[in-house]
Amino acid sequence: AQSVTQLDSHVSVSEGTPVLLRCNYSSSYSPSLFWYVQHPNKGLQLLLKYTSAATLVKGINGFEAEFKKSETSFHLTKPSAHMSDAAEYFCVVSQGGGGYNKLIFGAGTRLAVHP
Amino acid sequence: GAVVSQHPSWVICKSGTSVKIECRSLDFQATTMFWYRQFPKQSLMLMATSNEGSKATYEQGVEKDKFLINHASLTLSTLTVTSAHPEDSSFYICSAAPPVSTDTQYFGPGTRLTVL
Repeated sequence: AQSVTQLDSHVSVSEGTPVLLRCNYSSSYSPSLFWYVQHPNKGLQLLLKYTSAATLVKGINGFEAEFKKSETSFHLTKPSAHMSDAAEYFCVVSQGGGGYNKLIFGAGTRLAVHP
Repeated sequence: GAVVSQHPSWVICKSGTSVKIECRSLDFQATTMFWYRQFPKQSLMLMATSNEGSKATYEQGVEKDKFLINHASLTLSTLTVTSAHPEDSSFYICSAAPPVSTDTQYFGPGTRLTVL
């Protein structure tokens, strides 16, 4: 079965400094991996998606993630944090099995951005 | 872009009553919709997969008689929490999948249920 582990429950950065949110996955085959963001009182928004094409995936709002098979990692990064980036971030793996694939969510990482 | 709405956004009910939550795909047809539950400061847990015109598939440990799911049209799925109890209080989120992709889901804004 597929699973994801988000290594940090909380990350705090200063505005303008880099962001690193860590995610490790477990999968018996080449997975589809996602990062979603959840702002308070808003729906989950897809930041980016990896589906076995380029290992460096660029997403919205300046975020990107690199798929490293050897390390089974899919860490999310952003060069410079903005106050509006404060939110909950979920690393997600797609679990296949016929028909639509189930999404398996990590526990989430809460990102705080300080002035 | 693809928009999914949920109604109501929040609801408070008395213990023992039933509550219905609607999930609509506003600008695309969704043959498959999903229902998730999120406890405070926790992750999303898939409750069930809903396919238009057929019975929902429930995840292990989810009571299908407690959480009734109906997917009567390509743009509407409903979740009814029957005989609600305080432990059913949670944030319920739906998502909808367009026909052309097997792992793309668009999420609704969620419904916060509080059972007194």
